Amino acid sequence: DGGITQSPKYLFRKEGQNVTLSCEQNLNHDAMYWYRQDPGQGLRLIYYSQIVNDFQKGDIAEGYSVSREKKESFPLTVTSAQKNPTAFYLCASSMRSSYNEQFFGPGTRLTVL
Amino acid sequence: AQSVTQLDSQVPVFEEAPVELRCNYSSSVSVYLFWYVQYPNQGLQLLLKYLSGSTLVKGINGFEAEFNKSQTSFHLRKPSVHISDTAEYFCAVSANSGYALNFGKGTSLLVTP
Repeated sequence: DGGITQSPKYLFRKEGQNVTLSCEQNLNHDAMYWYRQDPGQGLRLIYYSQIVNDFQKGDIAEGYSVSREKKESFPLTVTSAQKNPTAFYLCASSMRSSYNEQFFGPGTRLTVL
Repeated sequence: AQSVTQLDSQVPVFEEAPVELRCNYSSSVSVYLFWYVQYPNQGLQLLLKYLSGSTLVKGINGFEAEFNKSQTSFHLRKPSVHISDTAEYFCAVSANSGYALNFGKGTSLLVTP
């Protein structure tokens, strides 16, 4: 079964700690994306990557970092510099031939204690 | 840049009644349009999309939407809703030459008996 997996589903972090969210896809998609979702705010783009070893900042990249060492994987690190990290994080991917149609993972809910 | 306005944050409706969720977009170039559905604590699932061609688009679960270029709208409709349609619905737009999806803030559909 092809799809996108995100782990863990729930994550708790103390203030001042970095934490890494996992995103893996077996759809053979070239592009991958990270979004942040807050209540009543819709989805906002954090980072995206169109090919391996390359990525670009989205609208709200401050306090986050990513890597794209493999086509299947696009981990997101929430650093201590992110002022308000508690949110629902969604990973997505799309084919090169259809950049705009994105498929989403189940999400990770991060709570900072 | 492209943007989306979802005109209703919440839409309550009785079971088996028709429903319309409104979406207006803003863009100076040709666009692709999408509707996604999100059930609680889950990722987003594509309901339907407009890329080109017929302006009436049919999607999954009995939903359909009509692209209206003159009114810059892409409203989502269903003739008879079920309890299981209770979810958050997101309209999204992208330029057909770009990568980014710009999401609206979402409409919460609540179906009651």
